[in-house]
Amino acid sequence: SYELTQPPSVSVSPGQTASITCSGDKLGDKYACWYQQKPGQSPVLVIYQDSKRPSGIPERFSGSNSGNTATLTISGTQAMDEADYYCQAWDSISVVFGGGTKLTVL
Amino acid sequence: EVQLVESGGGLVQPGRSLRLSCTASGFTFGDYAMSWVRQAPGKGLEWVGFIRSKAYGGTTEYAASVKGRFTISRDDSKSIAYLQMNSLKTEDTAVYYCTSYSSGFGMDVWGQGTTVTVSS
Repeated sequence: SYELTQPPSVSVSPGQTASITCSGDKLGDKYACWYQQKPGQSPVLVIYQDSKRPSGIPERFSGSNSGNTATLTISGTQAMDEADYYCQAWDSISVVFGGGTKLTVL
Repeated sequence: EVQLVESGGGLVQPGRSLRLSCTASGFTFGDYAMSWVRQAPGKGLEWVGFIRSKAYGGTTEYAASVKGRFTISRDDSKSIAYLQMNSLKTEDTAVYYCTSYSSGFGMDVWGQGTTVTVSS
């Protein structure tokens, strides 16, 4: 079965750029999405189709996808961005999530 | 306001059944595929399955972990999606989220989740 691998944790200082990676075999040939989940809340879609932002998502969130790696980049990271982030892609008709990355802003 | 509200969660014994409901409002429910995603305590997100809109046959797809035990259906007249869970196992314990779904676009609307606990 298809697997997506994320680092368990990433730390960033306020105002700096955070990058969260998601690796999978030929992931660049598929579309990737990213979700943000804060404690006790439902996930929120922050990136779809590799690099598009849904309405209401701040411009500091961006995405890319090439080769075997998709990347979520948060520019000018704010304290409110501290959350778990999950990548998601498709393996044929099945939906696959990465294991999640805890972003700490300190 | 676009909203999804799940209901039907609770405590159930292993081997028993439970049906979850997802009531939608604020959008034309029948035009959209709907998905279920679960999250075990302290764990990540796991896709359960989805149902296509009637325009695409209303057919379903499931994760291997639930195929043959879980069934997703929909009642477009009531704007409700269902998740019928049979032969429940302790490892099915999770918060179950209902989401809108579009292949290639992801899941842009999520409900608040309903908790299912499978325990004797």
